[in-house]
Amino acid sequence: SQKIEQNSEALNIQEGKTATLTCNYTNYSPAYLQWYRQDPGRGPVFLLLIRENEKEKRKERLKVTFDTTLKQSLFHITASQPADSATYLCAQRPGTASKLTFGTGTRLQVTL
Amino acid sequence: DGGITQSPKYLFRKEGQNVTLSCEQNLNHDAMYWYRQDPGQGLRLIYYSQIVNDFQKGDIAEGYSVSREKKESFPLTVTSAQKNPTAFYLCASSITSYKDTQYFGPGTRLTVL
Repeated sequence: SQKIEQNSEALNIQEGKTATLTCNYTNYSPAYLQWYRQDPGRGPVFLLLIRENEKEKRKERLKVTFDTTLKQSLFHITASQPADSATYLCAQRPGTASKLTFGTGTRLQVTL
Repeated sequence: DGGITQSPKYLFRKEGQNVTLSCEQNLNHDAMYWYRQDPGQGLRLIYYSQIVNDFQKGDIAEGYSVSREKKESFPLTVTSAQKNPTAFYLCASSITSYKDTQYFGPGTRLTVL
């Protein structure tokens, strides 16, 4: 069955650096991938969606890439700030008959 | 304000009791979802509804029940049959089941005493 995998270890980076988070999937490529941000004790918030025919998508300091050969999406936050500290979830829909499936998320900690 | 609300934020239940979690949206979305989140396990789909008066089981529906009598409301009942109900419960909605970018509520933390 299709699986979506994110690094469960927290990512610690210094303010101002670029944070890069990884989302890998098995088997077949989804039509699109979504990225969400979740703060502790709160519901996730949608950030970006990238389709399989798009190599890259940007929104302000955020950039998402989608590599169907590597079966991977990368999520970048440039010029990171402590306020970017949160858990970031990727989500995909394995097939048209399926529902959106979420990864376990990667916690990002940006320090001064 | 458009959005999705859940109540209560914290809920305590004694073993053997049923409890109902509220979820309301005023986004005019057709689809609504219930997820359970446990530490290290991500979001797991309990039930979803694509349209009023219709709902389907998700991956972990056992011990839960839902109803969708109104477009804006999708309450979740955690029954006494749910073996390990202590968790963080999230409700979400999307425009349709195919335009499935999801808008989440603030969540309800259920603790069984």
